[in-house]
Amino acid sequence: DAKTTQPNSMESNEEEPVHLPCNHSTISGTDYIHWYRQLPSQGPEYVIHGLTSNVNNRMASLAIAEDRKSSTLILHRATLRDAAVYYCILRDRGSGSRLTFGEGTQLTVNP
Amino acid sequence: GAVVSQHPSWVICKSGTSVKIECRSLDFQATTMFWYRQFPKQSLMLMATSNEGSKATYEQGVEKDKFLINHASLTLSTLTVTSAHPEDSSFYICSASFGGAGNQPQHFGDGTRLSIL
Repeated sequence: DAKTTQPNSMESNEEEPVHLPCNHSTISGTDYIHWYRQLPSQGPEYVIHGLTSNVNNRMASLAIAEDRKSSTLILHRATLRDAAVYYCILRDRGSGSRLTFGEGTQLTVNP
Repeated sequence: GAVVSQHPSWVICKSGTSVKIECRSLDFQATTMFWYRQFPKQSLMLMATSNEGSKATYEQGVEKDKFLINHASLTLSTLTVTSAHPEDSSFYICSASFGGAGNQPQHFGDGTRLSIL
């Protein structure tokens, strides 16, 4: 599985935008970039995913570098409920492909 | 949206007991489900891939005779921890996706916290 690198932790203030970076220099052409987040004592929650183009949904935006070797998850206005561990994961497009979790980024949101 | 239901959410039992955890996809059919284990302050570790109608595929180091997986239908996979011991205490999480391809989001259950006394 191709590896991703994320900062261990980041801090943000409430109602400000947050940019969570992820490096994946060994990404293959068939890998999708997935983002999940996990709140304490809960299972992970899907946030967003993409292949080459930037993606937007109701939760966040995903900006993918042109060479696909890095990506950034953007939370447009952080809330206290966004405090979680955010995982950037590469997933092969093949059927039955799995998600391999790294250590993720612990996001702290200050009131 | 798609929902994965996991039951029970919390189990406390004596050493030597076998514990069954259920994972259901509520509004879609899942040919593939995944089981993870998470220890405190650590990330999720994939234990096995559960395939409907066939044997599960276990990750290296995971004892298949201890962690029995059954995926009898397209909406239900079960994980049975046999003869559980205190070192099996952990947070167990299942996931599933519609179609199972990499361009589909994975949906996770809320996890089962297992405590073995």
